Amino acid sequence: GAVVSQHPSRVICKSGTSVKIECRSLDFQATTMFWYRQFPKKSLMLMATSNEGSKATYEQGVEKDKFLINHASLTLSTLTVTSAHPEDSSFYICSATPGRVSNQPQHFGDGTRLSIL
Amino acid sequence: AQSVAQPEDQVNVAEGNPLTVKCTYSVSGNPYLFWYVQYPNRGLQFLLKYITGDNLVKGSYGFEAEFNKSQTSFHLKKPSALVSDSALYFCAVRDGNQAGTALIFGKGTTLSVSS
Repeated sequence: GAVVSQHPSRVICKSGTSVKIECRSLDFQATTMFWYRQFPKKSLMLMATSNEGSKATYEQGVEKDKFLINHASLTLSTLTVTSAHPEDSSFYICSATPGRVSNQPQHFGDGTRLSIL
Repeated sequence: AQSVAQPEDQVNVAEGNPLTVKCTYSVSGNPYLFWYVQYPNRGLQFLLKYITGDNLVKGSYGFEAEFNKSQTSFHLKKPSALVSDSALYFCAVRDGNQAGTALIFGKGTTLSVSS
């Protein structure tokens, strides 16, 4: 089945540090990848849609200069949390769908637990 | 706009009993519906989907869901719950007429199965 790999699984760092999270589709090409943020015991909040070779589309209220997204290839998207602060601490999850077919499920990475001290 | 409602924050059932996790949706186009399960500190695992055809769809781990267009519902069911089914369950929808768009998720329902 389709596999999405996300790294790192956990990051603990000081306030002001920039953190990069990688999301890879291992056995399929993903024109589009999605980045979600999940608060404790809460649903997933869509942050942005990452399109290969073009700029990401950010959801309302998400700071694009804070959360930099790069989708340089059909199998890799990265999310960089710039100058992270404690309020950025959260669980970040990426997902991808093979191709652009709407009847396919999104496949999710295992998430990254980000803790900013 | 699309939206998903999961009216129950938590569902408690005894092992061996049937379980139902409720979901209703709103979408302007064709509803493509999905259920996912999440275990602690993990990503989401796909359980099943409804795209078209038979209203009763079967998925992984013995789960099934019934699409009801008139009630705009897509409840998740299992005839006999296991303790290992305890997890967080998400219902999600996508407008089938909009390829390449993200799934929209409900707030999630915590299922607790007691032995």
